[in-house]
Amino acid sequence: DVVLTQSPATLSVTPGERISLSCRASESVDTYLHWYQQKPNESPRLLIKYASQSISGIPSRFSGSGSGTDFTLSINGVELEDLSIYYCQQGNSLPYTFGAGTKLELK
Amino acid sequence: EVQLVESGGVLVQPGRSMKLSCAASGFTFSSFPMAWVRQAPTKGLEWVATISTSGGSTYYRDSVKGRFTISRDNAKSTLYLQMDSLRSEDTATYYCTTGDGYDFDYWGQGVMVTVSS
Repeated sequence: DVVLTQSPATLSVTPGERISLSCRASESVDTYLHWYQQKPNESPRLLIKYASQSISGIPSRFSGSGSGTDFTLSINGVELEDLSIYYCQQGNSLPYTFGAGTKLELK
Repeated sequence: EVQLVESGGVLVQPGRSMKLSCAASGFTFSSFPMAWVRQAPTKGLEWVATISTSGGSTYYRDSVKGRFTISRDNAKSTLYLQMDSLRSEDTATYYCTTGDGYDFDYWGQGVMVTVSS
């Protein structure tokens, strides 16, 4: 199974700053890497697909990059509503796997 | 607007069975692969199973293979998950999802399944 390692596990942020979250795969997943946001007591929401493709309705401050084994989700100007858990997921090979998540909290 | 509405969750004893349903609307159900993803209490997300558009191909994670069956009724725009021989480690919120077969674009609100004696 492909193991996705997300770092950091928790990130303390200040509104307005630019941040980057990392997702590293145990083997190449090409660009079959997707990012989700999950707020407390809500269902996950797709933020970025295929490493860097934007999603309709998602704020432009969210962007993704990477290919192969190293991926980054960036938030350019964190807002309070972004305080959530972020998961990466690979769709390159079965079983599809998720990372353990990065939790954004207020500094 | 895409809507996925799960039902069927409840408390069940270990070894028993349960069937989840997911009613879909707002898109052409028969044109999209469907999947179930679960989340144990306070834990992360875990893919469970995927079914192709026609239902002819199904895929499962090893821990549920032989115990769970994913199916769909395209005429009713409904996805199912038959869960047999349930174990305590199957306790989770189960989400119905759809996408292109490699990602999960839309999610239902989730249904809680508790396996306990």
